[in-house]
Parts: sequence; C-alpha cells; structure tokens
Amino acid sequence: NAGVTQTPKFRVLKTGQSMTLLCAQDMNHEYMYWYRQDPGMGLRLIHYSVGEGTTAKGEVPDGYNVSRLKKQNFLLGLESAAPSQTSVYFCASRKGVEAFFGQGTRLTVV
Amino acid sequence: GESVGLHLPTLSVQEGDNSIINCAYSNSASDYFIWYKQESGKGPQFIIDIRSNMDKRQGQRVTVLLNKTVKHLSLQIAATQPGDSAVYFCAERNDYKLSFGAGTTVTVRA
Repeated sequence: NAGVTQTPKFRVLKTGQSMTLLCAQDMNHEYMYWYRQDPGMGLRLIHYSVGEGTTAKGEVPDGYNVSRLKKQNFLLGLESAAPSQTSVYFCASRKGVEAFFGQGTRLTVV
Repeated sequence: GESVGLHLPTLSVQEGDNSIINCAYSNSASDYFIWYKQESGKGPQFIIDIRSNMDKRQGQRVTVLLNKTVKHLSLQIAATQPGDSAVYFCAERNDYKLSFGAGTTVTVRA
C-alpha cells in the first residue's frame, strides 16, 4: 500500500519556468490538499479538492493552479516560478479525520 | 491569517519525563482538532484527534485535552522517549479545510 506519493522529490527551477507537482493516492480518498511548509510558518494550505473535478482555494493560492481530473491524482502547477515559491510542498489526502501526507517535494527557485 | 497557533516554538524534555505541548486556536466552528508529528525529512503523521464536543481523549502514551472556554488544546506525552523528538503540529478541521499552526519542536535529552 503506497499511500500518498509525490513526484518529484526535489527540483530546482529558474525564475519564470513552469512545472507541475504530482500527488497520487491509492486509498480512494475524496479530499486532497496541497500545502507549503516554510521555516517557522507551519503548513499553509494552497489549494484543496473535495472530489474528482473540484478544486478550491486555500490560504495562499496566488501563483499556483491545481487540477483533479482523476480521483487519485491532484496536480499542483506553477506557471511562472518565483523565488518566493521556494519551499517544501506537501500533498495530503483523507477520507475521515486522519489525513495522510506524502514525503514532500523540495522546490528551489533561483 | 492563521487561526491555529502554538504557544512555544521549542520544548526540551528529559527522557522519561512527561511532555506537554500547547496550542491556541481561534475558530470556534471547527469540529475536530488534531495533533500531527513530523520527523525530519518526512511528512506529518497523525497522532490523535479530538472532536469539538469532547474535552479529553487518550491514546497510547498520549492524551489530548481541549478547553473550549479559553480555546486551548494540549498534547501530553507520557514517559517521553528519544523517538518522540520531532515537530508537533496542532490542526483544526473546519468544513473541508485542514489548517495547521506553526509547530513546536520537541527535543528529548538523554
């Protein structure tokens, strides 16, 4: 049982480049989330989804887009990366109260 | 801004002692409060949750206390072990959202 898998694990981008982070879960969970984690700031919610085909904005959505075309996948896109988007990104999924997190993607924008 | 926060960013505990980690929240509409543990280089892991209509819940070596009068949540860890060294986050669930505080780093001294 893989749980929540994030790809890639590490990435370095140049300012202005675009990329997509993939989150895949095999637990048939309805709810999926994207967070960013910065030192001293905990986890901040970027976007979330309550089911296939749905997305909603979280606390810090600017500069990011998401898609949930399939129930098991939740994609996070950066159209034009900025140094302020340097962070560790975590995806999570849940059905009940307990959320399951991926191992994170460390993104550096130079 | 964030509605969930922690009182202290760091806590140093002697091995074998009990640990108490505190959290203040501001959103009275949240239906669940949850504690997560994050070890270095990993995603957060669920520890225990408490529903908003309860004031105490016990797990294996952990107890969560909820005081709705002062909007305070705490996690007590009995007989702290080296493996308890991690960052601890409180989180609250409100509708579909999961919001996290900044975290407390717990260091266990041998």
